Amino acid sequence: GAGVSQSPRYKVTKRGQDVALRCDPISGHVSLYWYRQALGQGPEFLTYFNYEAQQDKSGLPNDRFSAERPEGSISTLTIQRTEQRDSAMYRCASSLARGEKLFFGSGTQLSVL
Amino acid sequence: GQQLNQSPQSMFIQEGEDVSMNCTSSSIFNTWLWYKQDPGEGPVLLIALYKAGELTSNGRLTAQFGITRKDSFLNISASIPSDVGIYFCAGRQTSGSRLTFGEGTQLTVNP
Repeated sequence: GAGVSQSPRYKVTKRGQDVALRCDPISGHVSLYWYRQALGQGPEFLTYFNYEAQQDKSGLPNDRFSAERPEGSISTLTIQRTEQRDSAMYRCASSLARGEKLFFGSGTQLSVL
Repeated sequence: GQQLNQSPQSMFIQEGEDVSMNCTSSSIFNTWLWYKQDPGEGPVLLIALYKAGELTSNGRLTAQFGITRKDSFLNISASIPSDVGIYFCAGRQTSGSRLTFGEGTQLTVNP
């Protein structure tokens, strides 16, 4: 596609529910990144993939967070048993290759009530 | 973990003025990037720097990769109202590693 696409744009959920956030990177981009951004803060790294391989997941806050990219294209970030502190903007970015410039999507705003 | 210290946190300037912001780190980075974020949107890449000492321009924007590889700065000349937004520096230590972001500089331009 023309840009990085994320869905849903907004997600409101109740505490304890699981959520799945989707990212469709720019066509042909090898690397895919997940970031979390709190209001007024810079993006905070969560995890990234090269093709389907998860290269670094050290930024995931705890084991309730997981991500996959099974076919090296679309990725899903899953948060299990959501908590209020998980509320944030979740941003996906992709790049043509490792070490290249990142292009960001518009994000998914998650609100946990 | 890695930290990028970005300053100033916010700036209020008059249209036509020049602006300078910078980013420093205690660690060496081999790539520096500058992004701008408008309200409700994701960060958009402005300039990428790959070599120590490199000076790169993009229109009215100029960015430099510090010679120590621990800092970078961004200048905006002759500011205009549409320059308003949050500017983020970002650095990468090695190829393929995570991109770490600064906390941002909120720029306000008064017409």
